[in-house]
Amino acid sequence: AQSVTQLGSHVSVSEGALVLLRCNYSSSVPPYLFWYVQYPNQGLQLLLKYTTGATLVKGINGFEAEFKKSETSFHLTKPSAHMSDAAEYFCAAGGGSNYKLTFGKGTLLTVNP
Amino acid sequence: NAGVTQTPKFRVLKTGQSMTLLCAQDMNHEYMYWYRQDPGMGLRLIHYSVGEGTTAKGEVPDGYNVSRLKKQNFLLGLESAAPSQTSVYFCASSYLGLLMGNEQFFGPGTRLTVL
Repeated sequence: AQSVTQLGSHVSVSEGALVLLRCNYSSSVPPYLFWYVQYPNQGLQLLLKYTTGATLVKGINGFEAEFKKSETSFHLTKPSAHMSDAAEYFCAAGGGSNYKLTFGKGTLLTVNP
Repeated sequence: NAGVTQTPKFRVLKTGQSMTLLCAQDMNHEYMYWYRQDPGMGLRLIHYSVGEGTTAKGEVPDGYNVSRLKKQNFLLGLESAAPSQTSVYFCASSYLGLLMGNEQFFGPGTRLTVL
């Protein structure tokens, strides 16, 4: 069974600082990996995804993530945080089944002025 | 395109009442999903559908029923609501499931409170 672990339910950074949100997955098959963002009282919006090919994936709003198979990780980064990045971020993994996407429990990002 | 829409946005029920949540998508997607989101739990799959006329159980199907009579609509029913079903419900759709890494598109959610 697939599982997704997000380290840290709450991350707080200063505006302009590096954002690093951690995600580890367990899978017996090559995974598809996703990061979604959820702004308050809204649905989930896709930030970026890894399917095959280049392991460094660029997404919207300046975010990127690197797939590291040896570490079973897919951490999300952004060089400089903006106030508008404050939201909850979800890592998700799929593969082995055509329908099941397993979500992590989410990381709430707070950006301080 | 409206994408994925959900009706209603908010609802308060009393224990034992029934209701239906409607999800509609205009992207001609084959797969549709219902999730519930609870604090600290992430998203958990309730039921899903791989095409018109099909439905299947997800992780937490008990207390819910679904129907997909039309390709663009996916209905989630609560026959006898319980306080444990207080949650935010999200509908999602995708073109062909996870084939080739197709992502899921989410609706804005329905916030349900059961008293």
